[in-house]
Amino acid sequence: QSALTQPPSVSGSPGQSVTISCTGTSSDVGYYNRVSWYQQPPGTAPKLMIYEVTNRPSGVPDRFSGSKSGNTASLTISGLQAEDEADYYCSSYTSSTTLVFGGGTKLTVL
Amino acid sequence: EVQLLESGGGLVQPGGSLRLSCAASGFSFSTYDMSWVRQAPGKGLEWVSVISGTGSSRYDADAVKGRFTISRDNSKNTLYLQMNSLRLEDTAVYFCGKTAPYSSGWYVSYWGQGTLVTVSS
Repeated sequence: QSALTQPPSVSGSPGQSVTISCTGTSSDVGYYNRVSWYQQPPGTAPKLMIYEVTNRPSGVPDRFSGSKSGNTASLTISGLQAEDEADYYCSSYTSSTTLVFGGGTKLTVL
Repeated sequence: EVQLLESGGGLVQPGGSLRLSCAASGFSFSTYDMSWVRQAPGKGLEWVSVISGTGSSRYDADAVKGRFTISRDNSKNTLYLQMNSLRLEDTAVYFCGKTAPYSSGWYVSYWGQGTLVTVSS
């Protein structure tokens, strides 16, 4: 199972919006609405930010939103804040009854 | 409050074995799927294994199939990962996680802090 494709890095200034893409195939991202997103600041454990493409767990700011079109899912962070600087990973359930992660995207807040 | 505490990591030679544990508290352990996810130094997340709440269903990544075994003891609220025939490429921080059912995509809602496994001669 190949990893999902994410851009290695994205950046934005405080207050701006950034979008991180996550491209898979018709056997994972495109097949199910079972995509999740995680935030991982350096040296810490990952934290769930989005599940089932668009849902936010309680406590996650509504500045974080998820979407999907075809085989590509996206995480959008609006009103960028310094505390959002972290690595972000997408994940998808697959038709092979496995889970696959993206390679990760480093978000830099300028 | 959900708490997950991994233990059992350490230094092991190639071909050796290690058993990781994950002690869970703050939720009804037996009613949730549980996962192991690993992260090699400086690399991304990699899914390892998942087990159903009863322990009757288990799924593994191809990279560990036949070498690693996920299990759980619901009487002790503890998740395990038995790792055999360890390879250099198994070196990673291993995280356990409280996991949603497959119908929701096995997303990990809570993560432990991880335990480091180093495979080296």
